[in-house]
Amino acid sequence: DGGITQSPKYLFRKEGQNVTLSCEQNLNHDAMYWYRQDPGQGLRLIYYSQIVNDFQKGDIAEGYSVSREKKESFPLTVTSAQKNPTAFYLCASSHPVGTEAFFGQGTRLTVV
Amino acid sequence: GQQVMQIPQYQHVQEGEDFTTYCNSSTTLSNIQWYKQRPGGHPVFLIQLVKSGEVKKQKRLTFQFGEAKKNSSLHITATQTTDVGTYFCVTGANSKLTFGKGITLSVRP
Repeated sequence: DGGITQSPKYLFRKEGQNVTLSCEQNLNHDAMYWYRQDPGQGLRLIYYSQIVNDFQKGDIAEGYSVSREKKESFPLTVTSAQKNPTAFYLCASSHPVGTEAFFGQGTRLTVV
Repeated sequence: GQQVMQIPQYQHVQEGEDFTTYCNSSTTLSNIQWYKQRPGGHPVFLIQLVKSGEVKKQKRLTFQFGEAKKNSSLHITATQTTDVGTYFCVTGANSKLTFGKGITLSVRP
């Protein structure tokens, strides 16, 4: 099946630890995005990538890092510098850039 | 960058009533997209509008892009309990997708 896969669905980490969220797509899409969703806040853009080996900061990039070494993969690392990491993280892809986006099921990260 | 506003954030309707929500921008938008997110789920693409004054229908849902391309509306005729969820308008400018805060619709059976 074609689609976008995020893993794991639920993730628990201790405060101060870095954690990497996986996002894989087999839709052959050039663009990929990471969003954070908090209650009442809608979706806020963390990072986006238009093409392999290139990515740009979104509106709330501080405390996060990404890589885009392969077209299919766009992992997000939540670092210990992120002050409030507990949230629902959504990955998406689109082709061409800025058009209809397909979302993964999301990863709910809880930091204790 | 381009941003969109959705007010209010919550609306409650009785099943069978019509529902309309709006999305506004202070700048001219190149296009507008609408997504729906069911409770506990992920956003799902509904429609994209590109042309000034464009109207598109999907069964009981009607989407419109303003003449000045600064606003958009979503109208649901005779709401059903399956319409519950959060509806987001999204701009697709500058190679990124920017979401409004969304409106969460609840439907009383």
